[in-house]
Amino acid sequence: DADVTQTPRNRITKTGKRIMLECSQTKGHDRMYWYRQDPGLGLRLIYYSFDVKDINKGEISDGYSVSRQAQAKFSLSLESAIPNQTALYFCATSDFQWGTAHTGELFFGEGSRLTVL
Amino acid sequence: AQTVTQSQPEMSVQEAETVTLSCTYDTSESNYYLFWYKQPPSRQMILVIRQEAYKQQNATENRFSVNFQKAAKSFSLKISDSQLGDTAMYFCAFMKGMGNDMRFGAGTRLTVKP
Repeated sequence: DADVTQTPRNRITKTGKRIMLECSQTKGHDRMYWYRQDPGLGLRLIYYSFDVKDINKGEISDGYSVSRQAQAKFSLSLESAIPNQTALYFCATSDFQWGTAHTGELFFGEGSRLTVL
Repeated sequence: AQTVTQSQPEMSVQEAETVTLSCTYDTSESNYYLFWYKQPPSRQMILVIRQEAYKQQNATENRFSVNFQKAAKSFSLKISDSQLGDTAMYFCAFMKGMGNDMRFGAGTRLTVKP
């Protein structure tokens, strides 16, 4: 089983609908992130969380909200989806400890492709 | 804000040849990390190589190596003996020392031709 699991993998919805993308991890990491990927723009950070009580906006948070239900779960919501939110969404985790072989590395889920019609 | 620039949207290379992907970044930080991630058609994001800014020695991982020029803020990826399985999008990424977030370049699509 994947260490970082995203559901759904693919979703088609209509403008104005509420959508939730879910992420769960078994890596035991405190830090979790949501990114969106668009062609020609790379990955851009939407929100990140360093623990259950710590939520931070990223580069492009407008139109999105998040919930950190537990250390292992971090969900992303689109309250009223619009077509320009059509993208590939990634959840990622990190265990940021100085001086380790994995310092700074993000571990990604398999992505959720969202299409808003 | 930190920015990461990949100036080559697409590249191709013949199997067994060597290819270099370019990346430049802009930051006022002195402590940071740099990464190259690979995204094959499966869309999974896979870490290729990482570099700590405080280390002068260039990182290497088997056929993958970097040329890290801190003063020039350049971080290129060299792939030696290219294989068909290296066909993918490659993203350069930057993370500040405290790891608040990782910033990505727009990506370079690499095609390895038989």
